[in-house]
Amino acid sequence: GQQLNQSPQSMFIQEGEDVSMNCTSSSIFNTWLWYKQDPGEGPVLLIALYKAGELTSNGRLTAQFGITRKDSFLNISASIPSDVGIYFCAGRGGGADGLTFGKGTHLIIQP
Amino acid sequence: NAGVTQTPKFQVLKTGQSMTLQCAQDMNHNSMYWYRQDPGMGLRLIYYSASEGTTDKGEVPNGYNVSRLNKREFSLRLESAAPSQTSVYFCASRSTGADYGYTFGSGTRLTVV
Repeated sequence: GQQLNQSPQSMFIQEGEDVSMNCTSSSIFNTWLWYKQDPGEGPVLLIALYKAGELTSNGRLTAQFGITRKDSFLNISASIPSDVGIYFCAGRGGGADGLTFGKGTHLIIQP
Repeated sequence: NAGVTQTPKFQVLKTGQSMTLQCAQDMNHNSMYWYRQDPGMGLRLIYYSASEGTTDKGEVPNGYNVSRLNKREFSLRLESAAPSQTSVYFCASRSTGADYGYTFGSGTRLTVV
């Protein structure tokens, strides 16, 4: 089956720092999605990407759909305490329903 | 609030017991999904239903059955629970043709002892 490699697994940063995480795949995806999950909650959509090369922003978040359609990255600028959580990338292939998820990046902000 | 509602939020089962996890959405979405989340594993698709009356297996369907009761409701059943099914289960829905992402419920935390 399709697999997504998400890195890093965890990040320990200071408040105010910028954050970057990425996902790569051996398969092509037609849609890339980035989700954030808070403790005890389901994932919440942050950014959706539909075209190769697309760069999309949502406030302090910026994500790009790789030109090969096999990778994506998410950047968070000027991190704040509420950014703490687990970030997941997810891809959707052309003929398949459902999403393939990365294993997540756990973001921890140190005081 | 509109969204995906899952019940129960927590459940403890003994090995061999059966139970049904309930999911309902009020967004008039066509497609519904069941995922399980295990530590360090991300979310894996168990079953999905592209429309009322249809269901299909996902990545990890063994030990589960599903029913798409109507457009709103999609249930997940464990006929004979096993410790390996200890997990957090998420239901999600999506409107066909709207590829802007999936809306997830808040999860059911299941422990099988």
